[in-house]
Amino acid sequence: NAGVTQTPKFQVLKTGQSMTLQCAQDMNHNSMYWYRQDPGMGLRLIYYSASEGTTDKGEVPNGYNVSRLNKREFSLRLESAAPSQTSVYFCASTPLSGEVYGYTFGSGTRLTVV
Amino acid sequence: QKEVEQNSGPLSVPEGAIASLNCTYSDRGSQSFFWYRQYSGKSPELIMFIYSNGDKEDGRFTAQLNKASQYVSLLIRDSQPSDSATYLCAVNPLVSGGYNKLIFGAGTRLAVHP
Repeated sequence: NAGVTQTPKFQVLKTGQSMTLQCAQDMNHNSMYWYRQDPGMGLRLIYYSASEGTTDKGEVPNGYNVSRLNKREFSLRLESAAPSQTSVYFCASTPLSGEVYGYTFGSGTRLTVV
Repeated sequence: QKEVEQNSGPLSVPEGAIASLNCTYSDRGSQSFFWYRQYSGKSPELIMFIYSNGDKEDGRFTAQLNKASQYVSLLIRDSQPSDSATYLCAVNPLVSGGYNKLIFGAGTRLAVHP
């Protein structure tokens, strides 16, 4: 059982380059999320998708776009990478948008922008 | 801005002792609370959640919630070196639109020494 799969695991970009982080879950979850994790700042929500066909901004959406391609897949795009976007990115999912469900996280993408 | 605060640590305890991890939150309307464990270089994994005042036990772990004082704690009994990790507290604030958007603390690093 794969759970939540993220690709790539590591990436180095030059300032101004673009890339898409991929996320797929095989648990038939409705809600999916993108977080970034920086030292001393914890996990911060970038974008989320409560259900297929919907997306909404989180706490730190600037510089990012997302696509909920179908129920399984939720991608995060950096159009013009900046050094401030150097971080570890986690995708997560929950069965429903209800309150008591914790997240299942992917293994993360470590992104460095030089 | 809704906040979740944790002492960054490290919290150092001897093997076999009880480790006590604390978390405070700012949104009095918060509904559910989660503890995640994160090993270095890995993704967070859910340990347990709690949404009612009082204690909830699961094996060596006990979560404690006091909504009036706005704090959540995690006790780890019989601590083992394998418990050495960063523990993240997450809070689901008063939901808007019924969406499950967790706010994470920056985490407390626990070190269990033999």
